Amino acid sequence: KAGVTQTPRYLIKTRGQQVTLSCSPISGHRSVSWYQQTPGQGLQFLFEYFSETQRNKGNFPGRFSGRQFSNSRSEMNVSTLELGDSALYLCASRPGQGPYEQYFGPGTRLTVT
Amino acid sequence: AQSVTQLGSHVSVSEGALVLLRCNYSSSVPPYLFWYVQYPNQGLQLLLKYTSAATLVKGINGFEAEFKKSETSFHLTKPSAHMSDAAEYFCALGIQGAQKLVFGQGTRLTINP
Repeated sequence: KAGVTQTPRYLIKTRGQQVTLSCSPISGHRSVSWYQQTPGQGLQFLFEYFSETQRNKGNFPGRFSGRQFSNSRSEMNVSTLELGDSALYLCASRPGQGPYEQYFGPGTRLTVT
Repeated sequence: AQSVTQLGSHVSVSEGALVLLRCNYSSSVPPYLFWYVQYPNQGLQLLLKYTSAATLVKGINGFEAEFKKSETSFHLTKPSAHMSDAAEYFCALGIQGAQKLVFGQGTRLTINP
């Protein structure tokens, strides 16, 4: 099976702009989660989607949003970018809602200047 | 609160020596625990998982971990380090209900020739 794919892999944006990141989960996986990774804060949970519904959200401002489509693909959007949003954004998928392990994509490296 | 603590942000061992990376967790319910590895400019790769079956868990690349409830620990070991093991390692706790992973701060493993 193909793994989790994320596009784009690298992105440079300017403060105040918005950005959309895309994630395609492993075939058959219905749950998609997003994490932010920074040197200072480590890996932090953003949100989780299952069957097009956001089931849980981390402690991030409303500028961070996401959605999931009927084919389980997911997008996350960050509006009004700030310098502190520079990070590696990781998408992970898993088969269902149980305590299954999550499989991660390669990430999107976002740099805000 | 449920949390994960990794003792030692940097560990350095010689090639062929024992690798020991420490992880302690805090959880009010039976935990689901995972170890992930991250190579530079890549996402997270699952090494192994504990889901309340055997307390000694074997993973990929010769790694294993032992769940010790009395010590609230889930340390990762490998009998003989290889140069290719150099990477960052993350211990994670699966939060049931919230459907997310809580990560430790990571341990960077360096292998000396």
